[in-house]
Amino acid sequence: AQRVTQPEKLLSVFKGAPVELKCNYSYSGSPELFWYVQYSRQRLQLLLRHISRESIKGVTADLNKGETSFHLKKPFAQEEDSAMYYCALSMETSGSRLTFGEGTQLTVNP
Amino acid sequence: KAGVTQTPRYLIKTRGQQVTLSCSPISGHRSVSWYQQTPGQGLQFLFEYFSETQRNKGNFPGRFSGRQFSNSRSEMNVSTLELGDSALYLCASSLSGQSSYGYTFGSGTRLTVV
Repeated sequence: AQRVTQPEKLLSVFKGAPVELKCNYSYSGSPELFWYVQYSRQRLQLLLRHISRESIKGVTADLNKGETSFHLKKPFAQEEDSAMYYCALSMETSGSRLTFGEGTQLTVNP
Repeated sequence: KAGVTQTPRYLIKTRGQQVTLSCSPISGHRSVSWYQQTPGQGLQFLFEYFSETQRNKGNFPGRFSGRQFSNSRSEMNVSTLELGDSALYLCASSLSGQSSYGYTFGSGTRLTVV
């Protein structure tokens, strides 16, 4: 069965420091990977998807099929980046169904 | 354009009762998915409806059901409520239901079972 693991429940960095949020997955086929973000008191929103290879708000994520990882990276963290980040996977056979990781709460300190 | 609208925002029910939650997708979106979010289990997929048909189902008991109307609005029903059903229920809509297009989530309905 497919599974998404985010090993860090909490991550705290200082403003201006680089950030890497880890995501590992287990799935034998070709998955689609996503990062979603939930700011305080706001709805869950799509941050980026690996298929489009886009970069939003300065964040990037590369799908590494060999290591089955999809880590999110940002070179310089800002205080407004503080939020809950979820990695999610969609299987080629499931179409619409997303399997989420447990999430990482990122706090960027001034 | 309006986003995904979920009603009500908050709900308190007693064990054994049933509840119906509503979701209005973005205009033109034909796929509606439902997720349960709890501190212990995180975000878990309940089911997805597309053009009034359930197309995908998660691992939840039969007490959880849903439907979609011809205008794409969807309802989710939970019967014989249990304390463990207390959660934030999220609805997400997309144009076609293909995950690569991304999903837009609503703000959720927070259900508390006492």
